[in-house]
Amino acid sequence: QSALTQPPSASGSLGQSVTISCTGTSSDVGGYNYVSWYQQHPGKAPKLMIYEVSKRPSGVPDRFSGSKSGNTASLTVSGLQAEDEADYYCSSFAGTNNWVFGGGTKLTVL
Amino acid sequence: EVQLVESGGGLVQPGGPLRLSCAASGLTLSMYWMSWVRQAPGKGLEWVANIKQDGSEKNYVDSVKGRFTISRDNARNSLWLQMNSLRAEDTAVYYCARLSDWCFDSWGQGTLVTVSS
Repeated sequence: QSALTQPPSASGSLGQSVTISCTGTSSDVGGYNYVSWYQQHPGKAPKLMIYEVSKRPSGVPDRFSGSKSGNTASLTVSGLQAEDEADYYCSSFAGTNNWVFGGGTKLTVL
Repeated sequence: EVQLVESGGGLVQPGGPLRLSCAASGLTLSMYWMSWVRQAPGKGLEWVANIKQDGSEKNYVDSVKGRFTISRDNARNSLWLQMNSLRAEDTAVYYCARLSDWCFDSWGQGTLVTVSS
């Protein structure tokens, strides 16, 4: 039940794109297509942005996209907007109905 | 609209118990696995426990096994987390979350638990 590895910070200018990585193992990220991503603004509850690696819930802008290669998943935010500045967390199913989160990435919009 | 409302947080002494509640509305609770996820101050999210639709299966992160118990009552649209032998490292905001499509798709606003003497 080790946490997934995310970079502590990422940044990009308004209108540009940024990609956040999430590295696990073959027992979690690499073993299942059940990676999800959450956005959290300060003092707020997390919000689901991506599920099952690349699916977007209704209401999430298509500027947000997800992918996976091997043991690493990625979240890409295109056309950065000021409101995208937040903490982002990845999560993965880890077998036997256990779940694991990443340490989080603070996204700064310059 | 799905609403999850946690309650029961507060200040508790090390070694003490606390019981968190989550009141659910806008969903048929019996259809979903439910979870508790916590976030220590200034830290990341940590999955704590989950429970199957009928309560027949429960899973816990290693650090709380034997101390925390998750339970539910679908008829009362309620989820609970009984926390015993609390430690300073259990200090966190505790969120109730719905598991659906292999993700946590709905979250409550959280309740703060502080373990301190």
